Formats: sequence, structure tokens, C-alpha cells
Amino acid sequence: NAGVTQTPKFRILKIGQSMTLQCAQDMNHNYMYWYRQDPGMGLKLIYYSVGAGITDKGEVPNGYNVSRSTTEDFPLRLELAAPSQTSVYFCASSPPGALRDTQYFGPGTRLTVL
Amino acid sequence: ELKVEQNPLFLSMQEGKNYTIYCNYSTTSDRLYWYRQDPGKSLESLFVLLSNGAVKQEGRLMASLDTKARLSTLHITAAVHDLSATYFCAGDTSGTYKYIFGTGTRLKVLA
Repeated sequence: NAGVTQTPKFRILKIGQSMTLQCAQDMNHNYMYWYRQDPGMGLKLIYYSVGAGITDKGEVPNGYNVSRSTTEDFPLRLELAAPSQTSVYFCASSPPGALRDTQYFGPGTRLTVL
Repeated sequence: ELKVEQNPLFLSMQEGKNYTIYCNYSTTSDRLYWYRQDPGKSLESLFVLLSNGAVKQEGRLMASLDTKARLSTLHITAAVHDLSATYFCAGDTSGTYKYIFGTGTRLKVLA
């Protein structure tokens, strides 16, 4: 299994541009999450999904959108990028049932908005 | 709204010494998680604590949860250089899947 994969690894955007961060998992996990980590800080939940077609807002959803059309993929869309969105973005997934508390994280996408 | 606070934020310790990292949370959260992050890397799940009084150990690390005190601790025994990393705790307002992370404790173990 590849686990949780994220693309791209690095990206520089200009203010106002848009992009989609890709996240995929091959573990058949129901739950998927997007976090951002600002320098020297903990993670903040942006959006999460409990299954295909079901998403909900986390702590810091403004400026982002998500979709979950399949179990495997959970892309994060940035519209009108702003410098405040410069951060490292982590995608995570967890299995259903009693094991859902263990999250598996992807390698991250480092995004800079100039 | 759940808030999670860790202390200390920075910890420099000698190899062979013991120390404890504290994680306080503000409202009911009967699940508490510990993660490790190496510089420039992703997060790795260390412990999942699901009930009051839960204690889990892995190698030189031991985590515990006291839901009445709203406190979790991560105890390091006889630290070694390989434990140098940033450690995060996180809570979850039951059933919401909205995980709230602390700001992390950056641990440096000196040889």
C-alpha cells in the first residue's frame, strides 16, 4: 500500500491564483481530513469527510473548498490564494469503527503565496 | 469550544534523564492523542487514549489520561537522542471528528 499520498510536494502561487491540492489513500479508509500547519504551530483542521459525498467544516475552512466523490480521493481547492494561506498542508485518513482514532498522515504540501 | 494547551513549548534535556510533557484541555474530551513530528516531516501517531485512567507505553514513552483533571501526560524515561522531535497532543470533542491540536513541545535531547 502507498498509504496517503499528496501532490504536489511544493508549490508557489501568486495572490489571486487558484489551485487544487490532491490527496489519495489506498487503505479503503472512510474518514479523511485536511489540516494546515503554520510555522512553529500545531495543526488546524480545515475540512473533513466521513465518507464519499459527505464533508464538513473544521476549525479554519474559510478560503477553501473540498469534495469527496470517491472513497480514495479528497482534493482541497484554494480559490483566490492569499498570503495568509502560506502553510504546510497535510492530508490524513483513518479507518472506520474502533480503529478510527488512529490517523495516517500524508507527507504534506508546502505552499507559498506571494 | 475545545482548547488544548501543552507545556513546556521547548524542552532541552540530557540523555538518560526523565521528563514529562503536559497536555491540558478545556472542555470534555474523552479521547486524547499523541503524535510525533520530525523536522520537515509528517506526523506519526504515537498513542490513542480513549478512557479515563488509560495508560499506554511504547519504549521510553508512556502516556496517560486523567479526564477528571482534563490532563494528559507524556513521560519520557532515560531519554536518548533519537527521541528529539516535536510532540503534539490533540483532543476530540466526542463524536465530532473535529480534532484540536496543541501547539507542540519541541524536544531536544543532548548527548
